[in-house]
Amino acid sequence: SAVISQKPSRDICQRGTSLTIQCQVDSQVTMMFWYRQQPGQSLTLIATANQGSEATYESGFVIDKFPISRPNLTFSTLTVSNMSPEDSSIYLCSVEGGRTPYNEQFFGPGTRLTVL
Amino acid sequence: AQTVTQSQPEMSVQEAETVTLSCTYDTSESDYYLFWYKQPPSRQMILVIRQEAYKQQNATENRFSVNFQKAAKSFSLKISDSQLGDAAMYFCAYRGAQKLVFGQGTRLTINP
Repeated sequence: SAVISQKPSRDICQRGTSLTIQCQVDSQVTMMFWYRQQPGQSLTLIATANQGSEATYESGFVIDKFPISRPNLTFSTLTVSNMSPEDSSIYLCSVEGGRTPYNEQFFGPGTRLTVL
Repeated sequence: AQTVTQSQPEMSVQEAETVTLSCTYDTSESDYYLFWYKQPPSRQMILVIRQEAYKQQNATENRFSVNFQKAAKSFSLKISDSQLGDAAMYFCAYRGAQKLVFGQGTRLTINP
């Protein structure tokens, strides 16, 4: 299976600022995804990061708030813009394809974000 | 849209005993995959077991097994010989033609 790293692992940010989270995979993958997990909740898909084109956002998530980049098949970034305390969550990236079995998603260790 | 329901917010079991976590789902698709993920306090999502809908045989991974009832749209997870390291949030998930959909999770506590 793929080995996935995320940076930073945690951060505490001030309201109104932005944070960029990085996701790095040790091998080429077909699909990369970004999820949000609010405190005590399940995972909600934010968007699918598409290599070489704009990300595909789920209902309730917009590019201005969560811009995503995917410059190649092993790397993606998620930016949380103009943060408010409601953005305090764990943000996880996941991958499919490449060395991972068909239709299985493997997750990074997550980034715990606290907004004051 | 597909939905996944875990009706047990919390479960507890004595160490070395067996516990079953419930999951039901709703879909009109005929081809799909089902998963159980474990999320310990470290927050890393770990894939526990997967089941392809076209397979009648229930998946098994060491102490973890599933009871897949396709007609009833039920997908329960059985953990045998529970260990302290099994304590975590467990999420049932559905993957059809589109995205991965998660249930609300069940928090499993292991009592020594």
